[in-house]
Order: sequence, then structure tokens, then C-alpha cells
Amino acid sequence: GNSVTQMEGPVTLSEEAFLTINCTYTATGYPSLFWYVQYPGEGLQLLLKATKADDKGSNKGFEATYRKETTSFHLEKGSVQVSDSAVYFCALSEYQAGTALIFGKGTTLSVSS
Amino acid sequence: GAVVSQHPSWVICKSGTSVKIECRSLDFQATTMFWYRQFPKQSLMLMATSNEGSKATYEQGVEKDKFLINHASLTLSTLTVTSAHPEDSSFYICSARDTSGNTIYFGEGSWLTVV
Repeated sequence: GNSVTQMEGPVTLSEEAFLTINCTYTATGYPSLFWYVQYPGEGLQLLLKATKADDKGSNKGFEATYRKETTSFHLEKGSVQVSDSAVYFCALSEYQAGTALIFGKGTTLSVSS
Repeated sequence: GAVVSQHPSWVICKSGTSVKIECRSLDFQATTMFWYRQFPKQSLMLMATSNEGSKATYEQGVEKDKFLINHASLTLSTLTVTSAHPEDSSFYICSARDTSGNTIYFGEGSWLTVV
């Protein structure tokens, strides 16, 4: 079945450091890939997405490239801010199958000034 | 942008009572809605998929008689936790897939505490 594997956290960085959160997936079809962010006590917000191989999703300085050959969708940001502290979830969905999002376990990011 | 609204945002109920959580798509139609449960510091666990006008499809291990899901219209799905127990305390999140694109929108979540 479909699954998403994220790197274990927490990730602790200083402000302006480079961020990478690894995400790999297993899927039977051709999924769309997503990164969601969850701030403390809140619901999920879509951060970025990519719907086909080699697509790059980007938003608020974050970016991730859909790599079919390595089944990966790693999240990167060149310079993190304290306000980026949150939990980040990688997810996939096979739209054509009408299925729900399958989430990774989430990675907690903590950025200090 | 599209908005999915959940109500209530938080609720406290006594053991043995039932509580209903609503999920509404405010500016789009959603033939499919999904209900998730999230325990503290854990990922989202899909509970069920709800299709408008038909019975919900529950994930393995989720009690359909305990977590009643109704999707009576294209903009509203409800989750009723029946005979609630303290172990049902959790963060419940709904999401809705729009009918025109490959996008899933999430509600703000509902905190349930059973005392």
C-alpha cells in the first residue's frame, strides 16, 4: 500500500540556517505530493504541493521537488526563521483514486534566535 | 481561497454522552470529505472517508458504530462520537476534496476532551 516516510525529529536549528527535511514515499500509482505545516494548537495548512514528476512546489521560501527516480519529496529552505517553528508533514494522495491523504509521522522543527 | 470550517473548535463532554462535530466547506462543493484523528505529537490517522449521499468507508480498526459519520450534503459532513470515553479525547480534523481540482482543504480541527 501507499506510505510516506519522514526523517525523525525534532530538528533544532539556529535562525538563518539551511533546512532539509527528508521525505520518501511508496505508491502504486502516480501520486500528488504535499507538505503541510501545523503550528501549535492549530490545524493543518498546505505549504506546497507537486502533482507530477520533476515538478517543484514552492511557498514562503520553502521548496520541494518531486523526484520519481528516488521516490522523494524533500523539503528545503535556505534560511529559516523563528516563525518557521512548527510540525511539518509530508503527504501523498492518488487523486485519480479519490483517496485521502496519507501522512508521514511529522517532523518537529524548532528554530532559535 | 477555499475554506473548510469545523465546529466546535473545542468541546468538553462527560463520559457516556455523545458529541457532534461539524465540517463545512464554505465556498466550494465537496463530494468527498475525510475525518482524521490526531493524538498529541503524533501524525494524523485517517478514520473514514465520507461521500455525499452514501455510507462512509471506515479504516480498519475504527468502530463505525462509535464514530458515526453523516455526509448529507455537498457542503456538510458530521462526526458523532457516541458514548464517549476519556480515551476518545483527541484532536479531530476534517478535510474536503474539491470537485474541480486536485486539492484537499483542511478544517481548523476540533479538540474533544471527555471527562
